[in-house]
Amino acid sequence: DIQVTQSPSSLSASVGDRVTITCRTSQDIRNNLAWYQQKPGKPPTLLIFDASALRPGVTPRFRGSGSGTEFTLTISSLQPEDVATYYCQKYVSVPLTFGGGTKVDIK
Amino acid sequence: QVELRQSGGGVVQPGRSLRLSCVASGFSFRSFAMHWVRQAPGKGLEWLAVISSDESQKYYSDSVNGRFTVSRDNSINTLFLEVNSLRHEDMAVYYCATEVPRWTGGFGYFDYWGQGSLVIVSS
Repeated sequence: DIQVTQSPSSLSASVGDRVTITCRTSQDIRNNLAWYQQKPGKPPTLLIFDASALRPGVTPRFRGSGSGTEFTLTISSLQPEDVATYYCQKYVSVPLTFGGGTKVDIK
Repeated sequence: QVELRQSGGGVVQPGRSLRLSCVASGFSFRSFAMHWVRQAPGKGLEWLAVISSDESQKYYSDSVNGRFTVSRDNSINTLFLEVNSLRHEDMAVYYCATEVPRWTGGFGYFDYWGQGSLVIVSS
């Protein structure tokens, strides 16, 4: 099975800061990676698919990049409403593994 | 609009069984593969199972293979997860999710999620 490793597990940043989250896979998955945002007590919501495609309606503050085995989710200017836990997920072949999550809060 | 309405969670004794349901509306349910994902308290997301649109393909994570069974009834737009021989470590919120189909094969990312069903395993 392909392993998915996400880092950091948590971070604290100021409003307006640029935030970067990394996801690494143990094998080349091309661009078959999605990013989700989850707020407490709610199901996850899709932000990015195919590594860099923004889901319609999602603020362009979120940007995904990468391919192969290394991927990045960037929040260009952190806002209070971005406080959440973020997960990456590889897809196409089973198991559709999630990264361990990154909890983002405001300093 | 797309809605996935879940039911069937609750408190269950270790070793017992439970069936979770996920009723879909707002899209052509019979055309899409469906997934189950769970989240233990304070933990991350764990993919559990997928069932293809026509039930011809079913795949499970190693952690639940042999104990959990995914099924669907396209006539009533409903997805099921039968969870058997429950263990304390199965205590979690269980989510159903739709996927965006991949015409080149394999399974896609998840665009809609149910609200979640809490399963508590306790004697």
